[in-house]
Amino acid sequence: DIQMTQSPSTLSASVGDRVTITCRASQSISNSLAWYQQKPGKAPKLLIYKASSLESGVPSRFSGSGSGTEFTLTISSLQPDDFATYYCQQHSTSSRTFGQGTKVEIK
Amino acid sequence: EVRLLESGGGLVQPGGSLRLSCAASGFNFNSYTMSWVRQAPGKGLEWVSAISGSGGSTNYADSVKGRFTISRDNSKNTLYVQMDSLRAEDTAVYYCAKGVSGAYVLHYWGQGTLVTVSS
Repeated sequence: DIQMTQSPSTLSASVGDRVTITCRASQSISNSLAWYQQKPGKAPKLLIYKASSLESGVPSRFSGSGSGTEFTLTISSLQPDDFATYYCQQHSTSSRTFGQGTKVEIK
Repeated sequence: EVRLLESGGGLVQPGGSLRLSCAASGFNFNSYTMSWVRQAPGKGLEWVSAISGSGGSTNYADSVKGRFTISRDNSKNTLYVQMDSLRAEDTAVYYCAKGVSGAYVLHYWGQGTLVTVSS
C-alpha cells in the first residue's frame, strides 16, 4: 500500500501568514493527490484534487502543487477561518490512503 | 444540494455487530462510488471501504476485510456497512462519502455517526 506522510504535524501561525504543508508519498502517484480541511466536530471538506485543482467555492488563497511523490498545500494569507486540521489523500489507488494530518494553530 | 445522513451508530460490545446506513439525496446516487471513512477519537482519517455505483465492485481496508460488508440499495438511495466481530479499535466516527467520477476523490461527506465498541 502507498504510505502518505505529512509535515509538520502541528504548525503555529498568525493571521496573514503564508503557510505551507508538505505531503510525501511512498511511491509515485503522478498528480493524484487531494487535500481536505477538517474543523473540530465537523466532517472533512475537499479543498484541492489532482494536486492543484481547486474545488468549487474554495477561496483562491488555497493552492496546491507537486507531482510524483512530493506535494504542498499553501495558504497565501492565513485567515481566522483557516485554523483547522488538513489532510492529504492519494487518489491514485483504490486504497485511498490519508496522511496523518497537520493541525494549524493560532500562534 | 448533496446531502448524506448517516445513522445506526451506538454502543456495542466487543464481538458484536452493527449496521450503519447513509441516506443520500441531491444527486444521481447510482452513478457514484460511495465510501465509508472512519476517524478514531483524536486520530486521523482512515478509509474503510468503497462500493461502485452499480454495487458490483467493492473493496476494503485490510483492517476490516472479512469483518465488514459494504452494500447499497439504489432504489432507496442508501449506503450500508454491516460491521461484525467488532473490536475496541473499531471505535470511531464513521463517515459516508460520495466519490467523483473517474477518481478516488471523496467529494462530499456526511456528518458522521459514532460507533463505540466497549464492554
